[in-house]
Amino acid sequence: DTAVSQTPKYLVTQMGNDKSIKCEQNLGHDTMYWYKQDSKKFLKIMFSYNNKELIINETVPNRFSPKSPDKAHLNLHINSLELGDSAVYFCASSQDPGQGRETQYFGPGTRLLVL
Amino acid sequence: KNEVEQSPQNLTAQEGEFITINCSYSVGISALHWLQQHPGGGIVSLFMLSSGKKKHGRLIATINIQEKHSSLHITASHPRDSAVYICAVRQTGANNLFFGTGTRLTVIP
Repeated sequence: DTAVSQTPKYLVTQMGNDKSIKCEQNLGHDTMYWYKQDSKKFLKIMFSYNNKELIINETVPNRFSPKSPDKAHLNLHINSLELGDSAVYFCASSQDPGQGRETQYFGPGTRLLVL
Repeated sequence: KNEVEQSPQNLTAQEGEFITINCSYSVGISALHWLQQHPGGGIVSLFMLSSGKKKHGRLIATINIQEKHSSLHITASHPRDSAVYICAVRQTGANNLFFGTGTRLTVIP
């Protein structure tokens, strides 16, 4: 069974479109994350949700909105896609970082290409 | 200036060599992570440290809190160790995670 899964694996779309990337974890973790890895392979955290509450919101455009229907899912919705949004997006999960149990488990990544 | 600096950026080694990758950080931290990103893109968490030293197989991670420095060592390196190794820290009292730019390791048979 896949611990952290993301769909789709690849996403090619036109500028201006709205798209969503889904993430699910079956580890029973309390915290989920979204990361963006740009063309230079630099990982940057975008969002973190702990028990469905946003606890990190880095300086990302408000075109990006995380949605967590329950603690096993953290979806990423992107409005009005731009060329610069092309990147690999990774979802991850961990137990509560405040409890020192924050080893993160990563999904396989979603490769987004905006044309 | 990045809160987390790694060195070297690129490293090529012969199979069997002892490898050291360094990570220095400038903020107070509650935890430090070492991640491995395979050539195919998948990311695996190797270690989470808040003090001392951890060992898993041929991998050893150490941290010196006073010097704000961590090292990742690989003993008896193997071509399958070829990957990008990423250091990340969680800032104390905040939920910010800062990442290094990674060290690309290539182990030649």
